Amino acid sequence: TQLLEQSPQFLSIQEGENLTVYCNSSSVFSSLQWYRQEPGEGPVLLVTVVTGGEVKKLKRLTFQFGDARKDSSLHITAAQPGDTGLYLCAGPVSGGYQKVTFGTGTKLQVIP
Amino acid sequence: DADVTQTPRNRITKTGKRIMLECSQTKGHDRMYWYRQDPGLGLQLIYYSFDVKDINKGEISDGYSVSRQAQAKFSLSLESAIPNQTALYFCATSDSSGTHREQFFGPGTRLTVL
Repeated sequence: TQLLEQSPQFLSIQEGENLTVYCNSSSVFSSLQWYRQEPGEGPVLLVTVVTGGEVKKLKRLTFQFGDARKDSSLHITAAQPGDTGLYLCAGPVSGGYQKVTFGTGTKLQVIP
Repeated sequence: DADVTQTPRNRITKTGKRIMLECSQTKGHDRMYWYRQDPGLGLQLIYYSFDVKDINKGEISDGYSVSRQAQAKFSLSLESAIPNQTALYFCATSDSSGTHREQFFGPGTRLTVL
């Protein structure tokens, strides 16, 4: 079973601070996805990282895929209240099942 | 207009009642999924479908059934609802031509079983 563990579970920070959340596994993934879910809404895809060591930037968000493709991180610079939400990582399950496994998420609160 | 829609958005029902949640998509994707979300447990897969004739059980399918009426429509039924099925339910789609199985979610249905 390919499991994804996210840390921390909860994070409450002041506006303007930087933060990093992590997504770790003992399994190798062909790619990893990051989603953000706002209260009352479904998750929305932010980015997919594919190559080991890859770094992708989305405005103030920086995503990195580990060299061994077993982990990923999301770094937010100068967090804003609009960044508040649940951040989920996810990856394709190997074995031809066409499924995706999700981490349990990091709940971020950015206080103005 | 939303690409993936779910109805109803909220539903309160009683133990033993039959409930149907509906999902429609205009993304043209062939794959559709039903997930359940509970606090601290992330997203758990209930059922998934690759096309109208292909339905597969996920990790937590007991107590649920599905119907894929058309490529664009995928409904989830609770035959006899029980309180521990109180949760957020999400429908998602994915394109089989994509290699990474990115998921596109609907807005969710909040179900409360009393």
